[in-house]
Amino acid sequence: AQSVAQPEDQVNVAEGNPLTVKCTYSVSGNPYLFWYVQYPNRGLQFLLKYITGDNLVKGSYGFEAEFNKSQTSFHLKKPSALVSDSALYFCAVRDDDYKLSFGAGTTVTVRA
Amino acid sequence: KAGVTQTPRYLIKTRGQQVTLSCSPISGHRSVSWYQQTPGQGLQFLFEYFSETQRNKGNFPGRFSGRQFSNSRSEMNVSTLELGDSALYLCASSLDGGKDTQYFGPGTRLTVL
Repeated sequence: AQSVAQPEDQVNVAEGNPLTVKCTYSVSGNPYLFWYVQYPNRGLQFLLKYITGDNLVKGSYGFEAEFNKSQTSFHLKKPSALVSDSALYFCAVRDDDYKLSFGAGTTVTVRA
Repeated sequence: KAGVTQTPRYLIKTRGQQVTLSCSPISGHRSVSWYQQTPGQGLQFLFEYFSETQRNKGNFPGRFSGRQFSNSRSEMNVSTLELGDSALYLCASSLDGGKDTQYFGPGTRLTVL
């Protein structure tokens, strides 16, 4: 069965500094990987996905993610974090049964 | 295009009652999935419908059921509510599943008293 792990419950960074949110995955076939962000009392917003092709995927709001097959990782990155990036971030993998399996989530706090 | 809409946004029910939640997918999307989000269990998959057929189901008791209509709108029903059913219920739609991106609605916050 497919699964993802987000090893950090919380990430704290200063505004303007680089932001990295970690994700590792386990799949039996080709990985279809996604990142979503959730703001308080809101649904999930899609940021980016990896299906195939370039290992560096660019997404919404200046976010990007690097797919690393050898390390089975799909870390989310942003070169310069904003206070408005403070939210809950989820990594997910799509399995053969069409459902998304989510990580536990990482709370990002960007301080001014 | 309008996004995924869910109604109602908030619900308060008592134990033993039943509840029906509604989801309207993005126009043209034929796959609708439902997820339950709780602080303790995180995001868990309930079921997925495609062309009015349940294509996959998560590990939830039979009290949780759903259906999809010919216009792709979907409903989920929870019967005999328990306190532990209190959660944010999220609906997501995609073109036809598989590698397609799922787009989420704002959710329905269900509180069971």
